[in-house]
Amino acid sequence: QAVVTQEPSLTVSPGGTVTLTCGSSTGAVTSGHYPYWFQQKPGQAPRTLIYDATDKHPWTPDRFSGSLLGGKAALILSGAQPEDEAEYFCLLYNYGPVGALAFGGGTKLTVL
Amino acid sequence: EVQLVESGGGLVQTGGSLRLSCAGSGFTFSSYAINWVRQAPGKGLEWVSSMSGSGDNINYAESVKGRFTISRDNPKNTVFLQMIGLRAEDTAVYYCAKGGWGTVIDYWGQGALVIVSS
Repeated sequence: QAVVTQEPSLTVSPGGTVTLTCGSSTGAVTSGHYPYWFQQKPGQAPRTLIYDATDKHPWTPDRFSGSLLGGKAALILSGAQPEDEAEYFCLLYNYGPVGALAFGGGTKLTVL
Repeated sequence: EVQLVESGGGLVQTGGSLRLSCAGSGFTFSSYAINWVRQAPGKGLEWVSSMSGSGDNINYAESVKGRFTISRDNPKNTVFLQMIGLRAEDTAVYYCAKGGWGTVIDYWGQGALVIVSS
């Protein structure tokens, strides 16, 4: 069974830069997967940060950006803030059957 | 302001049934897909089902296919998730999430907790 992979945990210093990645056990993540990134804080619903690999919503802080890098989708956080400590999930579209969605297992990001 | 409000969660016995509702406001409801995504306690997100705005395009995760049915009542701005044959592993917070123009998910509801217990 195909699996979407993420780092289980990462740590970044305040003001630092960190890259979270989203891979696929079946091969490269491509623009055809329209990668998404979501942020979820404890006790809260997820919030959409990035869609179509690189596009941001109006509410997405400028310090977050997305890219496709080396066969993976990436979420780059530049200038980490304490409030960025959260779990981050990626999502791939058309993963397996057409129209199917698949989430990665999530990355717990600590700002310390 | 876009709002999505889930309801209908609760405690149900193994093998039982439950129907979740997702009421949307602040947008043209019939123009957008709605997705159901669940999160088991302490676990990650799992996609469950999606339905297009018109209702003519439906998809299900393999884990729920044949047991869950998604539907929508656009005049009432509501999407439903009918769940039958519930199992302990269906215990989760169920979120509805709205699609956007050219995007699969933009806004999320606050979730409804479903507990399946014997």
